[in-house]
Amino acid sequence: EPEVTQTPSHQVTQMGQEVILRCVPISNHLYFYWYRQILGQKVEFLVSFYNNEISEKSEIFDDQFSVERPDGSNFTLKIRSTKLEDSAMYFCASKWTPVYMDTQYFGPGTRLTVL
Amino acid sequence: QQQVKQSPQSLIVQKGGISIINCAYENTAFDYFPWYQQFPGKGPALLIAIRPDVSEKKEGRFTISFNKSAKQFSLHIMDSQPGDSATYFCAASIHRSGATNKLIFGTGTLLAVQP
Repeated sequence: EPEVTQTPSHQVTQMGQEVILRCVPISNHLYFYWYRQILGQKVEFLVSFYNNEISEKSEIFDDQFSVERPDGSNFTLKIRSTKLEDSAMYFCASKWTPVYMDTQYFGPGTRLTVL
Repeated sequence: QQQVKQSPQSLIVQKGGISIINCAYENTAFDYFPWYQQFPGKGPALLIAIRPDVSEKKEGRFTISFNKSAKQFSLHIMDSQPGDSATYFCAASIHRSGATNKLIFGTGTLLAVQP
């Protein structure tokens, strides 16, 4: 069964450093998302991406964050200057269409630890 | 208005018992209500979903009950098994034309099924 993959599984970085989290969505999917989950808390929407542009972003997704689909398969989330509060599990998700009830499939996540 | 409230925070059920998790929402524009199951170290996986023109949906041991007037929905797990032990998230999204279909998650319920 096709699945969303994410690398790395765990990233440790120093405060102020740039990190890039990588995702490979399911191959025929067109809609891409990033969510994050701070330890013990709910999953929160960060950004959605379609047709090579951001379609919606949350208030969490400030100027330090950016997303890119550099080729036909990867979808990346970049945090330019990490803060302690960026420590969280980051999930990539994808779906095929905007059709009603179409499912978002989630990857296994990247645990980001900012020291 | 964008929140989804979920209860209880944690739940302990005996094997063979019924697990019930409740969610409530305010935004009447929500038109898709999925439940996600998350095992430790994994991403959320869709379990079952319902649309608001249906009052109940059953898939195997899992049933969603939906009360549109009360703006509440619940997940019932019949004959709960130790393998059902996981965190369960309710969610909601909007599927109107132009919407990004972002998922708004509840706070999660940690279910432990005791053998």
